[in-house]
Amino acid sequence: GAGVSQTPSNKVTEKGKYVELRCDPISGHTALYWYRQSLGQGPEFLIYFQGTGAADDSGLPNDRFFAVRPEGSVSTLKIQRTERGDSAVYLCASSLNGGLNTEAFFGQGTRLTVV
Amino acid sequence: AQTVTQSQPEMSVQEAETVTLSCTYDTSESDYYLFWYKQPPSRQMILVIRQEAYKQQNATENRFSVNFQKAAKSFSLKISDSQLGDAAMYFCAYRGNQFYFGTGTSLTVIP
Repeated sequence: GAGVSQTPSNKVTEKGKYVELRCDPISGHTALYWYRQSLGQGPEFLIYFQGTGAADDSGLPNDRFFAVRPEGSVSTLKIQRTERGDSAVYLCASSLNGGLNTEAFFGQGTRLTVV
Repeated sequence: AQTVTQSQPEMSVQEAETVTLSCTYDTSESDYYLFWYKQPPSRQMILVIRQEAYKQQNATENRFSVNFQKAAKSFSLKISDSQLGDAAMYFCAYRGNQFYFGTGTSLTVIP
């Protein structure tokens, strides 16, 4: 695809359920980032992948959150035992590599609502 | 840890006028990049302008320019000849070992 694709665009789930959010980066981009954006706030860093490995997962808030990128392309953010406080827009971005000057392209996010 | 601070939650500007959005950051790294992103209601983050920390010359992209003061760790965005389409949230971002965003400034353009 031409850009970063995130699915679903909206997800409503019940408290305590498990959810998966998918990110398809731009083809050939090795760097992939996940962010969480609460209403009226800036994107909060969650995790950064370089290739298949999580180069930095220091932003994951607790062990209910984890993300995978098994083949170095598509990534899935997984949230277990969801809580109402997890409600936010989850943004994914990719860049050609992890170089500081490489432009990061963002998807339109997945809006997660936990009821 | 790196931090990015945007002290103006909201700003407004008259159409065709100039507005400056503020950003400060804190880092101990010597090599990094700074960015301004625009986020309209569609949620799509759009890169507005970038600045390399080792370059003294301020970056310019058409109506958008920055005032980069490395010693003061300040990185403000100036929008000249503001247009209605400039209305959006603007985020300052730091990219070094990590990639951090500020809390954003909501810009309103008044016709």
